[in-house]
Amino acid sequence: SAVISQKPSRDICQRGTSLTIQCQVDSQVTMMFWYRQQPGQSLTLIATANQGSEATYESGFVIDKFPISRPNLTFSTLTVSNMSPEDSSIYLCSGLGLPNTEAFFGQGTRLTVV
Amino acid sequence: AQSVAQPEDQVNVAEGNPLTVKCTYSVSGNPYLFWYVQYPNRGLQFLLKYITGDNLVKGSYGFEAEFNKSQTSFHLKKPSALVSDSALYFCAVRDEPGAGSYQLTFGKGTKLSVIP
Repeated sequence: SAVISQKPSRDICQRGTSLTIQCQVDSQVTMMFWYRQQPGQSLTLIATANQGSEATYESGFVIDKFPISRPNLTFSTLTVSNMSPEDSSIYLCSGLGLPNTEAFFGQGTRLTVV
Repeated sequence: AQSVAQPEDQVNVAEGNPLTVKCTYSVSGNPYLFWYVQYPNRGLQFLLKYITGDNLVKGSYGFEAEFNKSQTSFHLKKPSALVSDSALYFCAVRDEPGAGSYQLTFGKGTKLSVIP
C-alpha cells in the first residue's frame, strides 16, 4: 500500500500564529482528506482536498481557518490559522487510491497551542 | 447519512483469550467496512476490510471480522490476544463507489487492553 509522509510530527505554537502541515504520498492517489482527532477520541473530517481547486469543507470548518492546498496528486498541505488553545489536537491526512481500496493515513501531527 | 457505533469504550481481555471488539453501522447503500488500529502517538494502521464476498474477512496480525448484514454488524475478532494488541481500534464505514462520497465515517473507538 502507499505511504504518506506527514510533517511536522509535533509542534508547540504560540496563539495567534499559523502552522502548515504537509503530506507527501509516494504514489498518486485519487482523493486526499484531512482529519482532526483529540487524543484517544474519534476522527472528525475537516475537508476533502481537491487537486487544483478549492477544498470541500465539512460543517463547522471554514477555509479562512483551515486553508488547504493540493497542487498535484501526491501532495497536500493544511494550514491552521490564527491558532488558539482550542486548536490543540492531532491532525491526520489520509489518501485513497482506487475506489475499492482502503484509505491510508499519515502518522499525524500533534499540535499544542500555548 | 452513514454512521458507526462502537458500544464499548474499553475492552479488557486476558492474554491468550479470544477477543471481540463490536461495531454496528448504518449506511444507505452497500457498505464498505474497515477496521483500523492506532498505537500511542501513531497514525491509523489498516487491519482489514469488507467490500463484498465472504462474510468472514481475515486481516493483519491474526485479526478477522465477520460481516452480518441482517444485524448490520462488523465485529473484530482474534482467537488469542497478545499484550502487543493493546491499542485503540476504530471501525469505519463508507458507501460503495457511486452511492455517495468516499469519506470514511469512524466510530468513537474502543480501547483494547490485553492483560498479561
